[in-house]
Amino acid sequence: DTAVSQTPKYLVTQMGNDKSIKCEQNLGHDTMYWYKQDSKKFLKIMFSYNNKELIINETVPNRFSPKSPDKAHLNLHINSLELGDSAVYFCASSQDRLRPLYEQYFGPGTRLTVT
Amino acid sequence: GQNIDQPTEMTATEGAIVQINCTYQTSGFNGLFWYQQHAGEAPTFLSYNVLDGLEEKGRFSSFLSRSKGYSYLLLKELQMKDSASYLCAVRSPPSGGSYIPTFGRGTSLIVHP
Repeated sequence: DTAVSQTPKYLVTQMGNDKSIKCEQNLGHDTMYWYKQDSKKFLKIMFSYNNKELIINETVPNRFSPKSPDKAHLNLHINSLELGDSAVYFCASSQDRLRPLYEQYFGPGTRLTVT
Repeated sequence: GQNIDQPTEMTATEGAIVQINCTYQTSGFNGLFWYQQHAGEAPTFLSYNVLDGLEEKGRFSSFLSRSKGYSYLLLKELQMKDSASYLCAVRSPPSGGSYIPTFGRGTSLIVHP
C-alpha cells in the first residue's frame, strides 16, 4: 500500500492556466507538507498543515493555495501558472509537527512543466 | 538567513571511498540530515546528526562539527547504485510550533566502473 500518494505524476500545461495537485496519506499522520524542487535541485518547503490548520507558509506567492479538506489530504492549487513554477512538487507527511525530518514520508513527486 | 553549501557534482570509482562536504550558516540549529535522491524519485533518509562526531551506518557515515558549521557524508565501498544526488539539510528551531528544514542544492555523485 502506498503511504503518501500524489496525482498526477506528470503535469504539462500552458502559462496562465490554473491547476491542482492532489496528495493523500494513509498513515494516520497529523501533519502534511508541500515541497518544491526546482531545476537546480533545491528542495524547499512551501507549506505545512497540522490537522487541517496551516502552520508553515514560507513566502510562497498568493497564486499557490493549499487546501486540506481533512487531515489525510493536502491539495495544492496554483493559479495563473508561470514558467518559473516548473519544478517537481513533493508532498510529505509526519506523525506530528515536531517530528524530525527522517520521520517525514515523501510522496513520489509531481513533475510540473509550464510551457 | 539560512545558507547551505555543497559541491555540485563529484565523481568516483566503484569500490572507492568518497566524502561529500556540507557547510551551513543558519539561524539556529536543531539537527543535520543527509538524504539520497535518485533521479526522478523522492529523497530517502540516510543519516542524522545533532551532536558533534561521527555516526556510522553500514557503508555510510556522517560527521558533524557544530562549531565549524560543517558536516560530511562518507560513502565506502562505492557501488554503481550509489550514483545519486545527496542532499544536506539543516533543521532550525520551531517557528510557530514547527521545525523548518533548509536543504542544500544536493551533490550529484557519479560512480564509474
